[in-house]
Amino acid sequence: GAGVSQTPSNKVTEKGKYVELRCDPISGHTALYWYRQSLGQGPEFLIYFQGTGAADDSGLPNDRFFAVRPEGSVSTLKIQRTERGDSAVYLCASSLSGGPDTQYFGPGTRLTVL
Amino acid sequence: DAKTTQPTSMDCAEGRAANLPCNHSTISGNEYVYWYRQIHSQGPQYIIHGLKNNETNEMASLIITEDRKSSTLILPHATLRDTAVYYCIVRDNFGNEKLTFGTGTRLTIIP
Repeated sequence: GAGVSQTPSNKVTEKGKYVELRCDPISGHTALYWYRQSLGQGPEFLIYFQGTGAADDSGLPNDRFFAVRPEGSVSTLKIQRTERGDSAVYLCASSLSGGPDTQYFGPGTRLTVL
Repeated sequence: DAKTTQPTSMDCAEGRAANLPCNHSTISGNEYVYWYRQIHSQGPQYIIHGLKNNETNEMASLIITEDRKSSTLILPHATLRDTAVYYCIVRDNFGNEKLTFGTGTRLTIIP
């Protein structure tokens, strides 16, 4: 079956612009996660959704970052007033019900802020 | 979650067993050991996890020491496609949803 998909695969933007990154989880998965990976580092947790609600947003770096999952399926990560330091690969993962269930990752969106 | 320590890089000859070590000396009783890998330009891929017993699946084996302070991931017959960064992660599965990745071990399979 289809895995986690993310669009776009690459996004180049200018400093100060607004961007939206999309994640389509595996069908039927109620848990969805966003991570960010800088060059040479492991992924870092940003936010976790259970259904439509953000159950843990402790990893969001500041209030320029926001994520939604209005219907409990597709999620959008939104970044306002982008900065060069936001450049990274943004990874999305989903799992069946959260907890101990395996997290399946998408291929990521590479964001470059010029 | 407990911190993990892994070698920065390792090489292994194609067809041989690759043994990747991980230290997690501060692991607590309810924390599991997870292994993920990340092939270049892809998202991380789940490999295996365990609590205290050794585990085996179609991808790998996981050996956890009796005191649970360290573990070894074994790829029994490494192929070139196993070249990747391997992450050892310790996680309490209940009440903590996030995976905390370190910098992992870059495994290179040599033809």
